[in-house]
Amino acid sequence: QSVLTQPPSASGTPGQRVTISCSGSSSNIGTNYVYWYQQLPGTAPKLLIYKNNQRPSGVPDRFSGFKSGTSASLAISGLRSEDEADYYCAAWDDSLRGMFGGGTKLTVL
Amino acid sequence: QVQLQQWGAGLLKPSETLSLTCAVNGGSLSPYYWNWIRQPPGRGLVWIGQINQRGGTYYNPSLNSRVTISADTSKNLLSLNLTSVTAADTAVYYCARGPVTPEWYFDLWGRGILVTVSS
Repeated sequence: QSVLTQPPSASGTPGQRVTISCSGSSSNIGTNYVYWYQQLPGTAPKLLIYKNNQRPSGVPDRFSGFKSGTSASLAISGLRSEDEADYYCAAWDDSLRGMFGGGTKLTVL
Repeated sequence: QVQLQQWGAGLLKPSETLSLTCAVNGGSLSPYYWNWIRQPPGRGLVWIGQINQRGGTYYNPSLNSRVTISADTSKNLLSLNLTSVTAADTAVYYCARGPVTPEWYFDLWGRGILVTVSS
């Protein structure tokens, strides 16, 4: 059971905007940066968002990260079939360990 | 282009020691932070631990007593040892690069190696 809570699944149709939530606490999201990773089937995760809302070079601006209090969210606009993947939020916890959310499986209908 | 190449035994018996190595090809271990992360089959990601530029290590408290992460900067090799494995340690193990600052994220990942623990 992950300390960072994500919905197990999400879905949308092509072109739609979808949001994936990540709920934490004052010891992790509340005081530290949030990161998001995309894991396509059978591949290693890829950094999608760092420091709450920053995109690494090469990540389309369709992906946006938000943080408010002890929660964060990832928004994907203009949904595409290639966005079908597992998405993980992550944050350092002040108990001196890094934590990942349980992951959200995004289905493009 | 920097790539991470991983290798190690893929099948272990309970109580044995898991040993994995990650080579940084086309780049250097320094001055980055380096991490090991695992993913049990069909499940989510779990951070195992980190080693910094000075050789300092931080481990997930749930694995702390069994884990050792080390680095050979002269050979650009990162290593993971996990003692007394059980079936619960069956997972895909990834090495991953962190930034040069003490921030907890991973911008480069190895392809992962599946380690199965079975009698």
